[in-house]
Amino acid sequence: GAVVSQHPSRVICKSGTSVKIECRSLDFQATTMFWYRQFPKQSLMLMATSNEGSKATYEQGVEKDKFLINHASLTLSTLTVTSAHPEDSSFYICSARTSGGVETQYFGPGTRLLVL
Amino acid sequence: DAKTTQPPSMDCAEGRAANLPCNHSTISGNEYVYWYRQIHSQGPQYIIHGLKNNETNEMASLIITEDRKSSTLILPHATLRDTAVYYCIVSMDTGRRALTFGSGTRLQVQP
Repeated sequence: GAVVSQHPSRVICKSGTSVKIECRSLDFQATTMFWYRQFPKQSLMLMATSNEGSKATYEQGVEKDKFLINHASLTLSTLTVTSAHPEDSSFYICSARTSGGVETQYFGPGTRLLVL
Repeated sequence: DAKTTQPPSMDCAEGRAANLPCNHSTISGNEYVYWYRQIHSQGPQYIIHGLKNNETNEMASLIITEDRKSSTLILPHATLRDTAVYYCIVSMDTGRRALTFGSGTRLQVQP
């Protein structure tokens, strides 16, 4: 299957700082990528849809000024958590859809963020 | 997207077939059935998907009933590494739609 990578795999930061997470599709181009968040013992929750060359679409309740998404190329989307607080500590997962034929969504390995 | 119903948990003996059911009685004609699994602290892994016909790949088989209101994911010879949460998701194959995850089935493979 298609490969999606994320970097970093885990990050610890101080409250008030910003953290950038990268999501790359390694062997295919993705005009659309998705960002999810998963809290302990819960399922994945969609945060936003990232569209190459245009603004991201955010789900209700997700602050667009806090979670900045940039999708500057067909293989890279970034999520920046600005002014992180302890309640932002979570597992952040990106995914990308292949195109052509039946579209299938492939997920990155996730980034665990801990805000102290 | 149609809603799915899965048992919260299942056990399976190592080496035996694991049969994971999913109910999707409100599925529409252009919606696919996708299966993913999530091993602890990892991103979801794509397993298989289908529309009407049964499907098989190197990981699993997907059996979809004729009325498409339910399906079963079969892991033919479960191993300890198959212990994970398995998600059955119904989604249209159009546009730029994200997948909506329910609570899934926690499969525990016992030695």
